[in-house]
Amino acid sequence: QKEVEQNSGPLSVPEGAIASLNCTYSDRVSQSFFWYRQYSGKSPELIMSIYSNGDKEDGRFTAQLNKASQYVSLLIRDSQPSDSATYLCAADTGTASKLTFGTGTRLQVTL
Amino acid sequence: DAGITQSPRHKVTETGTPVTLRCHQTENHRYMYWYRQDPGHGLRLIHYSYGVKDTDKGEVSDGYSVSRSKTEDFLLTLESATSSQTSVYFCAISVGLTNTEAFFGQGTRLTVV
Repeated sequence: QKEVEQNSGPLSVPEGAIASLNCTYSDRVSQSFFWYRQYSGKSPELIMSIYSNGDKEDGRFTAQLNKASQYVSLLIRDSQPSDSATYLCAADTGTASKLTFGTGTRLQVTL
Repeated sequence: DAGITQSPRHKVTETGTPVTLRCHQTENHRYMYWYRQDPGHGLRLIHYSYGVKDTDKGEVSDGYSVSRSKTEDFLLTLESATSSQTSVYFCAISVGLTNTEAFFGQGTRLTVV
């Protein structure tokens, strides 16, 4: 099993809907998790960090961490066409602040 | 913007030639990383540094070397470029209270022909 796994998508949602992106992780990673957004041809941009069990909200974004089930999710409310991008889930490996990444989920927000 | 600059931004090189990519940061962060990104594989760690002259291997280090002689510069060298090293290379630094939040440079698109 890979350390961090994501469904590659594409995930298609209509404008204004909630987009739900999911990520599962193995026991080999630490308990700090990150969501990055990457537009085509651009570098990854950090949008959310979550370190403890439960929900963390920042504007239209909510990150959820469930340690018992070993998954992390990102909810995007009121999805906009500008949210169309690839979303990368990352976990801290617990060593030298190294991150391990999932392969990313491509999100398409349709008009 | 975490003050990270990568150079060059684009490069085409021939198989067998050495190539050096540069990552420069302006904010004195201790940890620096080189990743490559390929379709279907996501971001994979090549090498990382935890201080001047302190470096270690990542997941896909074969064929690559690094050097960090100053806090602000982290160099990635492809000793003898191969077509399998055609990729997009990202430099990153770690910030935050526990050094875990990472920020990325703009990337270098390298093509080996």
